[in-house]
Amino acid sequence: AQKITQTQPGMFVQEKEAVTLDCTYDTSDPSYGLFWYKQPSSGEMIFLIYQGSYDQQNATEGRYSLNFQKARKSANLVISASQLGDSAMYFCAMRELSGGYQKVTFGTGTKLQVIP
Amino acid sequence: SAVISQKPSRDICQRGTSLTIQCQVDSQVTMMFWYRQQPGQSLTLIATANQGSEATYESGFVIDKFPISRPNLTFSTLTVSNMSPEDSSIYLCSVAMAQGPKQYFGPGTRLTVT
Repeated sequence: AQKITQTQPGMFVQEKEAVTLDCTYDTSDPSYGLFWYKQPSSGEMIFLIYQGSYDQQNATEGRYSLNFQKARKSANLVISASQLGDSAMYFCAMRELSGGYQKVTFGTGTKLQVIP
Repeated sequence: SAVISQKPSRDICQRGTSLTIQCQVDSQVTMMFWYRQQPGQSLTLIATANQGSEATYESGFVIDKFPISRPNLTFSTLTVSNMSPEDSSIYLCSVAMAQGPKQYFGPGTRLTVT
């Protein structure tokens, strides 16, 4: 069963506008972490933001924020004031933290294009 | 965080040959992983590199095809053996820190097999 779902294969946003990238997940583990990564055309995976399942507040890192809705099992990434350099693939991922094996599962990604 | 380097950054190889990719981390890490990303696809975990013992492979990946070494807490290699064009992918090294659950990636190795 797919554990991470990203339903938006591609998104467009106007420069300086905000954009939300959707991510839903499925787990029975009460302890887990959620990640967002950015992958530009160069291929590197850039860590953006992390949210733990027990964190009380939504994570924020500069222009990135994670809209964590635990009951709905969603972890959407919000990018404020989009810049041309934000054009890239964005991957949502989850790590189940209970037990000894901590495998990270990735979604299929969303391609974001910022329009000048 | 950790600074992760990979060598080579890219390579073009002939069918039937092997390529060894190196991953070096600037600090000791608890876990190291190898991922494959085929063109236009998401990341797939190949294996977890265990220090001083055999790697733990995911379903669909075998040691004969992807032998992995991890001689210490900061270094690992992945070999892609007897390559075919289907092995053309980005191969990424990833590490998890002892201090928390976050996971970081190296810059990747872009492999093309002709």
